[in-house]
Amino acid sequence: QVELVESGGGVVRPGGSLRLSCAASRFTFSNYGMHCFRQAPGKGLEWVAYVRFDSTSKRYTDSVKGRFTISRDNSKNTVSLLMNGLTTEDTATFYCARESGGRSLNKNFDYWGQGTLVTVSS
Amino acid sequence: QSALTQPASVSGSPGQSITISCTGSSSDIGNYNLVSWYQHSPGKTPKLIIYDVTKRPSGVSNRFSASKSGNTASLTISNLQAEDEADYHCCSYAGTYTPYVFGSGTKVTVL
Repeated sequence: QVELVESGGGVVRPGGSLRLSCAASRFTFSNYGMHCFRQAPGKGLEWVAYVRFDSTSKRYTDSVKGRFTISRDNSKNTVSLLMNGLTTEDTATFYCARESGGRSLNKNFDYWGQGTLVTVSS
Repeated sequence: QSALTQPASVSGSPGQSITISCTGSSSDIGNYNLVSWYQHSPGKTPKLIIYDVTKRPSGVSNRFSASKSGNTASLTISNLQAEDEADYHCCSYAGTYTPYVFGSGTKVTVL
């Protein structure tokens, strides 16, 4: 069964940085686009970032552009989200998810991780 | 504020049917047949239950069905069961600039 396991969450001061990781297993990671999402307390899910299966394309939601960087290492089956300049508005549970269809880019997400909580607070 | 509008909560008794609406715009739901729905139960990972507006992934109960009309998508859960208690999130593809928009989520309670 496909597994995605996030790590790296925690408490950070405003302006600080954090790197989240998502370890993938039990599928051919290098064939799939990966996405990051977040859910702030009491809010809905929000798409945050995307990295293409071969890292040739990366996309970000406007509110994190210039602050967050998504990357992947296909040799280690991991995707990372480096978050700089964190603000209280970034407080959320962050999830990684696989885009279904492999290189077909089906525009839906068939497997998700359990999430990791990021709290930005002074 | 979420781009798609969902009711905050919907409830029903076991055996009943409920419908969750998801209203967007001509830039997302109205422009693409790429609406998906996710079930998120406490302590579990989000689960894809509907994709491409009406399709169910393998293994998802046929009690879940969905549709779209104009800028509004809908998810119907038939023969409601206790295990259906969860948060339900709609999502639509919205183009290359901001590819994905979500609803605010709907909490389903089985009375």
